[in-house]
Amino acid sequence: AQTVTQSQPEMSVQEAETVTLSCTYDTSESDYYLFWYKQPPSRQMILVIRQEAYKQQNATENRFSVNFQKAAKSFSLKISDSQLGDAAMYFCAYRSLQTGANNLFFGTGTRLTVIP
Amino acid sequence: DAGVTQSPTHLIKTRGQHVTLRCSPISGHKSVSWYQQVLGQGPQFIFQYYEKEERGRGNFPDRFSARQFPNYSSELNVNALLLGDSALYLCASSLAGGAAAYEQYFGPGTRLTVT
Repeated sequence: AQTVTQSQPEMSVQEAETVTLSCTYDTSESDYYLFWYKQPPSRQMILVIRQEAYKQQNATENRFSVNFQKAAKSFSLKISDSQLGDAAMYFCAYRSLQTGANNLFFGTGTRLTVIP
Repeated sequence: DAGVTQSPTHLIKTRGQHVTLRCSPISGHKSVSWYQQVLGQGPQFIFQYYEKEERGRGNFPDRFSARQFPNYSSELNVNALLLGDSALYLCASSLAGGAAAYEQYFGPGTRLTVT
């Protein structure tokens, strides 16, 4: 079974600074998707960014970018120019392409605090 | 367009009771997945339904069941509630159920408390 590990339960960053959240995963598969989701106090899980494993280029979405290291099974999220609205729980998630099910495996999350 | 909706928002039940949670996917989405999120943890996959058929099941006991209706809405049922079933139950919808449907959109969840 796939496992996703987020080793940083909590992180903090000064407003306008850059922060990197770590994620590692374990899989024997070669093709899969990886995601970062944000869950603010409102509880609604919001997709931040996704990465297809077959793509070598790291995904970027505005201030959010990833560092995908397939051999190391590492998938970190970098948030640039941090804003107060970035404060939330961040979850790394893995999705297999080997099964017919559309299920995500989530890590335990990193709580990000943004300091004004 | 409306996003994924879930009802009720909050629910308090007693041990041994039964509960039904409801989810309406985004218009045009045919797949619904259910997740359980215990406080302080990441969500765990319970079920996926696509075109009214079960496509995947997580490691949950038979007390958990679900179904999908012709309009693609879904219900999650939990029988013989235990204290450990207290959690946030999330519903997510996607366009389809296969490999191409990588993007899931989540609802706000139902907070279930079992006393």
